[in-house]
Amino acid sequence: DAKTTQPPSMDCAEGRAANLPCNHSTISGNEYVYWYRQIHSQGPQYIIHGLKNNETNEMASLIITEDRKSSTLILPHATLRDTAVYYCIVAGNTPLVFGKGTRLSVIA
Amino acid sequence: NAGVTQTPKFRVLKTGQSMTLLCAQDMNHEYMYWYRQDPGMGLRLIHYSVGEGTTAKGEVPDGYNVSRLKKQNFLLGLESAAPSQTSVYFCASQDRRVGTGELFFGEGSRLTVL
Repeated sequence: DAKTTQPPSMDCAEGRAANLPCNHSTISGNEYVYWYRQIHSQGPQYIIHGLKNNETNEMASLIITEDRKSSTLILPHATLRDTAVYYCIVAGNTPLVFGKGTRLSVIA
Repeated sequence: NAGVTQTPKFRVLKTGQSMTLLCAQDMNHEYMYWYRQDPGMGLRLIHYSVGEGTTAKGEVPDGYNVSRLKKQNFLLGLESAAPSQTSVYFCASQDRRVGTGELFFGEGSRLTVL
């Protein structure tokens, strides 16, 4: 049973910000929100994670709503190399369960 | 630092044959995982291990066995391969000593069962 809901696909123009939404309305208090991406058929790559505060690193920003029922991953200036499947995962002290994710296509 | 290394990277088996996939990590991570990924699907957890000598079942454990005799290695075995086990297998390791810890994945092992 999926804990997150993501759109199956999105497009973004190169150089623009990519905003990827994720709904996780049944998230528990001790569960984190994780984002990973998978480029072509490579192994998934960690992007960012957070509990309740917004987070930023060199790759992306994670915005979590105050009620923690949804979040948005922001890639500030998308490039063609950001074309990938992006997975939003909610987990506590348990193994990560990957859904189908969102296929982001960055268009020149 | 090689990170997470999977061998072999490609393998073709006949139905009923057995084989073992090896995952090795050089980061001294406690946690290790085996996932499979079928075309157009997300990753599904097969088995995992939270430390040397321990293993646990994931979402889709049937038809697979695992062993973690050494901390750095996590083996995935198929005793009698079936066409339904044709998939890409990913191994991952994780350092849970540093909070939640990110997963580090290998490059994948592509298995075809005829």
